Amino acid sequence: EAGVTQFPSHSVIEKGQTVTLRCDPISGHDNLYWYRRVMGKEIKFLLHFVKESKQDESGMPNNRFLAERTGGTYSTLKVQPAELEDSGVYFCASSQVWRQSYEQYFGPGTRLTVT
Amino acid sequence: GQSLEQPSEVTAVEGAIVQINCTYQTSGFYGLSWYQQHDGGAPTFLSYNALDGLEETGRFSSFLSRSDSYGYLLLQELQMKDSASYFCAVRDDKAAGNKLTFGGGTRVLVKP
Repeated sequence: EAGVTQFPSHSVIEKGQTVTLRCDPISGHDNLYWYRRVMGKEIKFLLHFVKESKQDESGMPNNRFLAERTGGTYSTLKVQPAELEDSGVYFCASSQVWRQSYEQYFGPGTRLTVT
Repeated sequence: GQSLEQPSEVTAVEGAIVQINCTYQTSGFYGLSWYQQHDGGAPTFLSYNALDGLEETGRFSSFLSRSDSYGYLLLQELQMKDSASYFCAVRDDKAAGNKLTFGGGTRVLVKP
């Protein structure tokens, strides 16, 4: 079974540019989460999809961030325009929609550097 | 606000036992998870405690005391490959979303 994959693994962009991160969850996992870890800080929740619907987007920092999950499969996270403080590692995770689906499977992350 | 506290770094030798403590203050609590992350890799699920007590999985065990808002991860018979960062995370089910709130991570360095 393939794990959670993320693309790209690294991205270096200039302030003001746009970047789109992609996440492919494990097949059959309806829950999809985005997290990020800014340098030196803890991993923080951004948002949660159940299939194509946004269940919780309370962690999205501002309206420069837009997440989509068309068709309930892969998801994209777009940052437009990027700012210096957006640098960090962006993780995607997925899990099954069962009552005890506490185990989240993480991807390797996308390291975003904004210069 | 929500916070989880864990030590930033622990060093131990091969074969030793390491205990990583985690104390939490969160608005909702439905369980405490532990994840392992090697440098540059994906966080990997280790264990989950929803009820008080000890859960054992091979060389790793996890403990929870909900009344003390405290848990720990116990790493036994340490091996070099156990050098990694370990995160505690609280499952916050307030929004029925199972999102995780993480601690800052504990870097474990295993020496020969």
